[in-house]
Amino acid sequence: DTAVSQTPKYLVTQMGNDKSIKCEQNLGHDTMYWYKQDSKKFLKIMFSYNNKELIINETVPNRFSPKSPDKAHLNLHINSLELGDSAVYFCASSHSSRLDTQYFGPGTRLTVL
Amino acid sequence: GQNIDQPTEMTATEGAIVQINCTYQTSGFNGLFWYQQHAGEAPTFLSYNVLDGLEEKGRFSSFLSRSKGYSYLLLKELQMKDSASYLCAVLTDSWGKFQFGAGTQVVVTP
Repeated sequence: DTAVSQTPKYLVTQMGNDKSIKCEQNLGHDTMYWYKQDSKKFLKIMFSYNNKELIINETVPNRFSPKSPDKAHLNLHINSLELGDSAVYFCASSHSSRLDTQYFGPGTRLTVL
Repeated sequence: GQNIDQPTEMTATEGAIVQINCTYQTSGFNGLFWYQQHAGEAPTFLSYNVLDGLEEKGRFSSFLSRSKGYSYLLLKELQMKDSASYLCAVLTDSWGKFQFGAGTQVVVTP
């Protein structure tokens, strides 16, 4: 009965590959987010979807493409992986985008070799 | 630019009190949140402030002064399990966009 789940938990891949990370929440929340946490531990927002619509799109390379098939899922696809993409990626969700606590998934540690 | 500053590390003994300060300069402000993150785990929500003043939740309290761009998280009766990184985060708009600080690593010693 995990609230926000992500798969895979660990992902090791070669430069140039394309990979996806999946996120699902069973909290009935309307809004979902993707964050990147780099080696310096800064947590930076990348994208946010509210009811399957993109509402936050920070300055990230267009190699990153989020997809929300329904409001319980927000997947992240990354093309042509680069060394600098190595980080922990967290998915989160909240009831709405306004002043609501965000609940984080367990994170996906991506290592690009 | 946007800045959120908090100390890198603090050490305290079990049973003591620790205060983690956070100063912020952001383009927008819709609230200040504190999250706890244990190593290798996801951040978990602790507390938030929208208006000036003190919010108390058990052993944890958070204070906000919007005019000074300042907040602190107070951890009382420290326990070993409180050893973690504490993240200060400002909600900068009404769409859920958080700006996070780099986190303060709290080390609790016996």
